[in-house]
Amino acid sequence: SAVISQKPSRDICQRGTSLTIQCQVDSQVTMMFWYRQQPGQSLTLIATANQGSEATYESGFVIDKFPISRPNLTFSTLTVSNMSPEDSSIYLCSVRGGTLEAFFGQGTRLTVV
Amino acid sequence: AQSVAQPEDQVNVAEGNPLTVKCTYSVSGNPYLFWYVQYPNRGLQFLLKYITGDNLVKGSYGFEAEFNKSQTSFHLKKPSALVSDSALYFCAVSPPRDRGSTLGRLYFGRGTQLTVWP
Repeated sequence: SAVISQKPSRDICQRGTSLTIQCQVDSQVTMMFWYRQQPGQSLTLIATANQGSEATYESGFVIDKFPISRPNLTFSTLTVSNMSPEDSSIYLCSVRGGTLEAFFGQGTRLTVV
Repeated sequence: AQSVAQPEDQVNVAEGNPLTVKCTYSVSGNPYLFWYVQYPNRGLQFLLKYITGDNLVKGSYGFEAEFNKSQTSFHLKKPSALVSDSALYFCAVSPPRDRGSTLGRLYFGRGTQLTVWP
């Protein structure tokens, strides 16, 4: 299994500002996944982050809005830029291990006011 | 395209009764199938998985799920529900892993809110 430490666990931010979310994994992983869970909805993949290369973004998500860093095999950050109330969501990072299931951080609950 | 359907937004059962949370999927090949649970203000916790072999898989907290290839379903079940089982449940799939490839993303259903009343 993998243990993921994600922070902050929650934040309330002013519109127009940016928030950076951090995820630290207790083992080396090739890919890290960033998901968004809007209120009452399922998980939507934002992007896949590989170490040493640009992140791959899903349709509807762009690097200028959600820049991602992946400096090494155990760490990644997601920034939510120029926030608006529509960005209020839970953001989750995830990895998959050798046992094939995914492991998740505890999530970041973001409220934009 | 990969997709997962959870046809029920909510499932309500009385404590002690059996529960079923439904999931069907559309994935090419023989997929990997998963169930996750999310408690309020928490991340997703892994419950169980089907990779290959016996169609009935057992997982955490007394939950089990049955893989039915012909119906492309993977319903979550528990013989006797507890109030503490009340949570949001997600079914997820991923395509089978090609030899030498890196594991990719999961595709999630929209979630089913399970409420068990005393």
